[in-house]
Amino acid sequence: GAGVSQSPSNKVTEKGKDVELRCDPISGHTALYWYRQSLGQGLEFLIYFQGNSAPDKSGLPSDRFSAERTGGSVSTLTIQRTQQEDSAVYLCASSLAPIKTQYFGPGTRLLVL
Amino acid sequence: DAKTTQPNSMESNEEEPVHLPCNHSTISGTDYIHWYRQLPSQGPEYVIHGLTSNVNNRMASLAIAEDRKSSTLILHRATLRDAAVYYCILSYSGGGADGLTFGKGTHLIIQP
Repeated sequence: GAGVSQSPSNKVTEKGKDVELRCDPISGHTALYWYRQSLGQGLEFLIYFQGNSAPDKSGLPSDRFSAERTGGSVSTLTIQRTQQEDSAVYLCASSLAPIKTQYFGPGTRLLVL
Repeated sequence: DAKTTQPNSMESNEEEPVHLPCNHSTISGTDYIHWYRQLPSQGPEYVIHGLTSNVNNRMASLAIAEDRKSSTLILHRATLRDAAVYYCILSYSGGGADGLTFGKGTHLIIQP
């Protein structure tokens, strides 16, 4: 079956522009997670969606970052007024339920010039 | 704040067993211990998880200390394809984002 997919795979943008990153989770997975990984670093949790509950946004680094999950499936991570320090790989994962195995997508490599 | 500590890197020879340690001294009774690994230029992939008892699967074994304050991921016979960053994380059984802190993991180097 299809795994988690993310688009675009690579994104180059100019400082100050907005970007949208998309995640298609595995069908039927109720939990969806966004992480950020800077070069040579571990994964930094950003936001977590579980079913119809309000998302846990405790990891978002600033109010320039926001995310939505429509219809309990596809999610979009939006970064407004991008900064150079936003350059990283943005990873999405989904799982059947909390604490269950997370399945990761290939990530979106964002470069802010 | 990281809830687990792991060595930055380890090196092993091909076809030998590898023991990757993880300390989680503040673990609570409801935290599961998960291991993931990340191959170069890929997203992390699940390896194994457990709560109290030792666990085995086709990829690895997980040995959990009796007091649950540490665990060890065991690769029985390392291959070059096992070279990756291995992450040990705690996952709260109540769900939510608590404990989803991957840290920097252990960079496993396999020598041919």
